[in-house]
Amino acid sequence: DAGVTQSPTHLIKTRGQHVTLRCSPISGHKSVSWYQQVLGQGPQFIFQYYEKEERGRGNFPDRFSARQFPNYSSELNVNALLLGDSALYLCASSLMPGEGYTFGSGTRLTVV
Amino acid sequence: AQSVTQPDIHITVSEGASLELRCNYSYGATPYLFWYVQSPGQGLQLLLKYFSGDTLVQGIKGFEAEFKRSQSSFNLRKPSVHWSDAAEYFCAVGAEGTGRRALTFGSGTRLQVQP
Repeated sequence: DAGVTQSPTHLIKTRGQHVTLRCSPISGHKSVSWYQQVLGQGPQFIFQYYEKEERGRGNFPDRFSARQFPNYSSELNVNALLLGDSALYLCASSLMPGEGYTFGSGTRLTVV
Repeated sequence: AQSVTQPDIHITVSEGASLELRCNYSYGATPYLFWYVQSPGQGLQLLLKYFSGDTLVQGIKGFEAEFKRSQSSFNLRKPSVHWSDAAEYFCAVGAEGTGRRALTFGSGTRLQVQP
């Protein structure tokens, strides 16, 4: 079985641009969460979706948004990129919220 | 608010030696606790988790962790370290206010294994 897949793996964007990151959960998993991991730090929670509804939001500005599709895949959108948005963005899926999460390999975003 | 502290930023052990990575948490209720491992450039792999019940939890790759409520700790142990265990290790707690759905991570402990 395929694990959590994220695309693209690497991305370089310019300040002020917009970016969309994609995540496909493990088959059968209905919950998807997004985390931001800045170099040298632990991941920080951004969003959680379950059954296509937002179930949790971390302390991130409104420039960050996400959605979950009927097939349970998810997109994370970031508008008006700042240099500080450079990070590894991790997607995690689980059968239900609160269970052990399986993480993807992440998307490395560099903002220049 | 909940928090996780991993006091050791960097630990070096010899191959075959025992290992203990420390984790302390701050949480108002019974926590959901996790240990993850991250190899360079990779995502996180779940080693083990504690929700309730037996306070000694067995995980993958020969790791175990013990939940001690009185000390607010969830330390990770392995009796004999292999060179392939070199990686970054993160402790995490299920966060309040979200039904424990969101994880709060510590800042990680980087493990180096000497031959």
